[in-house]
Amino acid sequence: DGGITQSPKYLFRKEGQNVTLSCEQNLNHDAMYWYRQDPGQGLRLIYYSQIVNDFQKGDIAEGYSVSREKKESFPLTVTSAQKNPTAFYLCASRSSGRGYNEQFFGPGTRLTVL
Amino acid sequence: KNQVEQSPQSLIILEGKNCTLQCNYTVSPFSNLRWYKQDTGRGPVSLTIMTFSENTKSNGRYTATLDADTKQSSLHITASQLSDSASYICVVSAAAGNKLTFGGGTRVLVKP
Repeated sequence: DGGITQSPKYLFRKEGQNVTLSCEQNLNHDAMYWYRQDPGQGLRLIYYSQIVNDFQKGDIAEGYSVSREKKESFPLTVTSAQKNPTAFYLCASRSSGRGYNEQFFGPGTRLTVL
Repeated sequence: KNQVEQSPQSLIILEGKNCTLQCNYTVSPFSNLRWYKQDTGRGPVSLTIMTFSENTKSNGRYTATLDADTKQSSLHITASQLSDSASYICVVSAAAGNKLTFGGGTRVLVKP
């Protein structure tokens, strides 16, 4: 099946710990994105990558880090510097071809800080 | 500042009834507007995309409208089904850099 996978589906973290969320896509998309979703709020962009080995900060990058060593993978690390990390995290990817290219979303990871 | 406002925040409708969701935006320069459906605990899935020159588009029982002059869009659900229970998110893309601005969503609950 083609698509975007995220793991784990649920993640629990103790305060002070770093955790890494996985995002993999087999759609051959160049661009990948990480969003955070909080209840009643719109999705907010954390980081994005237009091409392998390059990524840019989004609107709320503080306390997060990413890497893009492979086209298919864009893991997100939530560091202990993120003061309020409990949220639903969504990964997306998009083709860089011409046109109004849709962002396809993964199923999400719900992170809870204990 | 680019913003997307959706209303209502939530609504409850009886199965078989129609409903309309609203989206107002201030994104400029405008490129396109999408409506996404997001089931609880899942990622959003695109329902429709509308560009500047389009004022209505349908996808099954979902019909989206766009008024680019007043910067308003609506999503109409016809003959609602229990599976329509979800959050509906309005997303506007700016022409520069393909940056997306997301609305807060409308949570729809369809009751039998």
